[in-house]
Amino acid sequence: DAKTTQPNSMESNEEEPVHLPCNHSTISGTDYIHWYRQLPSQGPEYVIHGLTSNVNNRMASLAIAEDRKSSTLILHRATLRDAAVYYCILSMPASKLTFGTGTRLQVTL
Amino acid sequence: EAGVTQFPSHSVIEKGQTVTLRCDPISGHDNLYWYRRVMGKEIKFLLHFVKESKQDESGMPNNRFLAERTGGTYSTLKVQPAELEDSGVYFCASSQGLRPEAFFGQGTRLTVV
Repeated sequence: DAKTTQPNSMESNEEEPVHLPCNHSTISGTDYIHWYRQLPSQGPEYVIHGLTSNVNNRMASLAIAEDRKSSTLILHRATLRDAAVYYCILSMPASKLTFGTGTRLQVTL
Repeated sequence: EAGVTQFPSHSVIEKGQTVTLRCDPISGHDNLYWYRRVMGKEIKFLLHFVKESKQDESGMPNNRFLAERTGGTYSTLKVQPAELEDSGVYFCASSQGLRPEAFFGQGTRLTVV
């Protein structure tokens, strides 16, 4: 499985945008870039995914570098409820997810 | 629409006993996955069902773990006999066809004492 690298932790103020980076230099042409997050005491939650083009949904935006070796999850206005561990995962559709250590996002008032 | 449900939410058993975890996926989802997180470690894949067939069981730790998905609906994960190192949170997830989004349950926290 191709590996991803994320910062261990990040902090943000509430109502401000957050950019969570992910490096995946060994990504293959068929790998999708997935983001999941895990809130305390809950199961992982799907956030967004993309292949080559930038993607937007109601939760977040995903910016993918042109060479696909990195990507950035963008939370446009962080709230306290966004405090979670965010995982950047490479996977093909309908395949297992390989979780790393993720980025622990802290959101403060 | 109901999400992925797991039962029980917590289970405490003694070493050597048997425990069966259950997962009800979202209706119509043919993919069902089991994962677990052992204390202090990352979430690890256990196995993947497509309908009632085991597509990938490369993550199953040993033959004390038995997963079934009779009829391609709900799934059970049995641990027999349980060991102390089996303690952790077991997550189930489901997805539909080739859609990338997987939906996770709340998990079952298993404690072996």
